[in-house]
Amino acid sequence: NAGVTQTPKFRILKIGQSMTLQCTQDMNHNYMYWYRQDPGMGLKLIYYSVGAGITDKGEVPNGYNVSRSTTEDFPLRLELAAPSQTSVYFCASSLPGPTAEAFFGQGTRLTVV
Amino acid sequence: KQEVTQIPAALSVPEGENLVLNCSFTDSAIYNLQWFRQDPGKGLTSLLLIQSSQREQTSGRLNASLDKSSGRSTLYIAASQPGDSATYLCATQEGDSGGGADGLTFGKGTHLIIQP
Repeated sequence: NAGVTQTPKFRILKIGQSMTLQCTQDMNHNYMYWYRQDPGMGLKLIYYSVGAGITDKGEVPNGYNVSRSTTEDFPLRLELAAPSQTSVYFCASSLPGPTAEAFFGQGTRLTVV
Repeated sequence: KQEVTQIPAALSVPEGENLVLNCSFTDSAIYNLQWFRQDPGKGLTSLLLIQSSQREQTSGRLNASLDKSSGRSTLYIAASQPGDSATYLCATQEGDSGGGADGLTFGKGTHLIIQP
């Protein structure tokens, strides 16, 4: 059971370039999330989705876009990369409800130079 | 806006000791509270989830408690081992009508080192 899979694991971007971080889950979870983690900080929510075709902004959405065309996939798009987007990005998924634990991918370490 | 604080930021103890990690939160209207473990360069692994109606959860040598009224949770690790060395993160999920869809609010974590 693969769980939540993120690609790539590492990436270096130049300022102004664009890229898509891929996330797929095989647990048939309705809810999916993108977080970023900066050194010494907790994770901050970028975007989330409660199902295919439905997305919403989290705490730090500026500079990012998402789409959810299927239950399994939730890609995160960075347009016009900036040094402030240097971070580790985590995708997560869960079922609805108060007993539903969150499952996380292994992360994508992104450096913008 | 929910704020989650974890104390201490770092902790180093000899193997075999029992220890307590602390987590506090400002808004008691939570859906649940989760404790995660993060190893260097890895993702997060869920350790324990406490629903808002529960007082504690146990898994092996781990016990997590929740006091909503005071906005506090503790993670108790019994008989610590070098393999317990990791960063431990506390996160709250705020209550809403969407089944908890709004994501988690994380603390900055406690970096734990267990000395052999």
